[in-house]
Amino acid sequence: SQTIHQWPATLVQPVGSPLSLECTVEGTSNPNLYWYRQAAGRGLQLLFYSVGIGQISSEVPQNLSASRPQDRQFILSSKKLLLSDSGFYLCAWSSDRGGPEDTEAFFGQGTRLTVV
Amino acid sequence: AQKVTQAQTEISVVEKEDVTLDCVYETRDTTYYLFWYKQPPSGELVFLIRRNSFDEQNEISGRYSWNFQKSTSSFNFTITASQVVDSAVYFCALSGLLDTGRRALTFGSGTRLQVQP
Repeated sequence: SQTIHQWPATLVQPVGSPLSLECTVEGTSNPNLYWYRQAAGRGLQLLFYSVGIGQISSEVPQNLSASRPQDRQFILSSKKLLLSDSGFYLCAWSSDRGGPEDTEAFFGQGTRLTVV
Repeated sequence: AQKVTQAQTEISVVEKEDVTLDCVYETRDTTYYLFWYKQPPSGELVFLIRRNSFDEQNEISGRYSWNFQKSTSSFNFTITASQVVDSAVYFCALSGLLDTGRRALTFGSGTRLQVQP
């Protein structure tokens, strides 16, 4: 069965410090990968998605970047965190088999980031 | 572009009451999928249901039921005889084509449901 791992679960970082959040998927190959952010009391906003190694699309301009160095690894980064980067970050994957099952996303446990 | 609107920010009910969570969506796709997810206080997203745009048959699963009406672009979620464990944030989502030509989930802003004992 497929599983998705995301870490760390919580993180407190000072303004201006770097960030690296990691997400890995097991039990599937060539998944579509996503990073979502949920600001306090808000919905989920799609930040990045990736359809393959090295292929990253950004949905919103921001202070963050994403990379996909391996097929099942997705990393969210920042060189210098801002206070506005605080939020709940969720990694997700979906299949890429060309069928309706591709539409369903499976989410990690999330990382709660607080920038102080 | 696609959009999902959950106009109810927060709903509070007393246990055993029925409650309906509203969801209205916008999309130019002719084929799309609609979802409901539950987010308990722990934060993870729990998948509840997926419906495709060609299937307007309402669905019931235990105390949960969903009413999909394509004519009004709505996909409402009803919990019958609510329980304290139903307290969570509920998200409606739409899977359709983004402006970039890729398919991804677009979420509503969520409805926080509080069920009081």
